[in-house]
Amino acid sequence: AQSVTQPDIHITVSEGASLELRCNYSYGATPYLFWYVQSPGQGLQLLLKYFSGDTLVQGIKGFEAEFKRSQSSFNLRKPSVHWSDAAEYFCAVGALTDSNYQLIWGAGTKLIIKP
Amino acid sequence: DTEVTQTPKHLVMGMTNKKSLKCEQHMGHRAMYWYKQKAKKPPELMFVYSYEKLSINESVPSRFSPECPNSSLLNLHLHALQPEDSALYLCASSQARTDLTEAFFGQGTRLTVV
Repeated sequence: AQSVTQPDIHITVSEGASLELRCNYSYGATPYLFWYVQSPGQGLQLLLKYFSGDTLVQGIKGFEAEFKRSQSSFNLRKPSVHWSDAAEYFCAVGALTDSNYQLIWGAGTKLIIKP
Repeated sequence: DTEVTQTPKHLVMGMTNKKSLKCEQHMGHRAMYWYKQKAKKPPELMFVYSYEKLSINESVPSRFSPECPNSSLLNLHLHALQPEDSALYLCASSQARTDLTEAFFGQGTRLTVV
């Protein structure tokens, strides 16, 4: 069955420190992978996506993610976080189910920034 | 224009009220989606429209009634809701229901049922 696991419910990082959010997926075919960010009370904004090609993808706001097929992972990274990065982060797999495109979501990781 | 616009941003309604949520996109996308999101949870898919036809109904109670009047608009009609229906309702769109490129999300409507 298709699934996405984000093992960390929340992560606390000091402002200016580096960040890595973990995402593991289970999917039979080549995955289409996404990271979305959601600020409190807001909608979802796409940070980056992976479909094929270079396994290191660059996104908006200084984020990047690396696809590792051997580890079934798509971890999100940022070299130096800012207080405005505090938000909920969702990893998702795009999957075709009964000829319909659906997003399979992880449970989310809440990022807390320490001043 | 890569925006999905949802109105209203906030809605408070009684259990006997009838209200509607609206969603609009002008990206030429032919698939549109309604999601429900409870606090601290990922979004849950409710409905999928493809070329203005209902493609998926994820066993959503009939007090939620979707409508797609044209390719740019998606409505969600609400009637006789329960307090547990209070949530953030998100609209999204993508090129097509079989397109795996990406989905664009609106900012959501925060619904409170009293």
